[in-house]
Amino acid sequence: SQTIHQWPATLVQPVGSPLSLECTVEGTSNPNLYWYRQAAGRGLQLLFYSVGIGQISSEVPQNLSASRPQDRQFILSSKKLLLSDSGFYLCAWSSGRLNEQFFGPGTRLTVL
Amino acid sequence: EDKVVQSPLSLVVHEGDTVTLNCSYEVTNFRSLLWYKQEKKAPTFLFMLTSSGIEKKSGRLSSILDKKELFSILNITATQTGDSAIYLCALHQNAGGTSYGKLTFGQGTILTVHP
Repeated sequence: SQTIHQWPATLVQPVGSPLSLECTVEGTSNPNLYWYRQAAGRGLQLLFYSVGIGQISSEVPQNLSASRPQDRQFILSSKKLLLSDSGFYLCAWSSGRLNEQFFGPGTRLTVL
Repeated sequence: EDKVVQSPLSLVVHEGDTVTLNCSYEVTNFRSLLWYKQEKKAPTFLFMLTSSGIEKKSGRLSSILDKKELFSILNITATQTGDSAIYLCALHQNAGGTSYGKLTFGQGTILTVHP
């Protein structure tokens, strides 16, 4: 069966520091991968999606970037964090572009 | 602009009650509507609806889609404290020639079930 991992689970970082969040998927190949942010326990905002290695599309302009160095690995990064980057970051995968998406456990990021 | 609106935003009930959560939408190139349940962490998938009038059911949960009136409802009967969660509605859109279908989420309904 497929599983999705994210780490770390929680992170507290000072403003201006770099960020690297990692997501890996097991049990499937060539998944579509997604990064979402959820603010204040509400709806999810899509940040990035990837349909293959090295292929990244951004949904909203922001202080973050994403990379997909391997088929089942998706990384969310920032060079300098802002206070507004605080939130709950969720990684998701799907087996096809119109199939349901399955979410990882999330990373709660607090920028102070 | 694409919109997904859920109501109510929050709901407090007692065990045994029946609840109905609503999701209305305005999106282009509609493909499917999905419901998720989110407790502490990751949203977990409940249903995917693509056709009007066909009820999807899983235990005490059921959902139906009305593509003419552009809404869906999620029903939970005989609620239990374990049903307390945020319920998220999301719309999947066709993406034309690209290999991605955008998923747009509503703001969620916070359900609290008291013993």
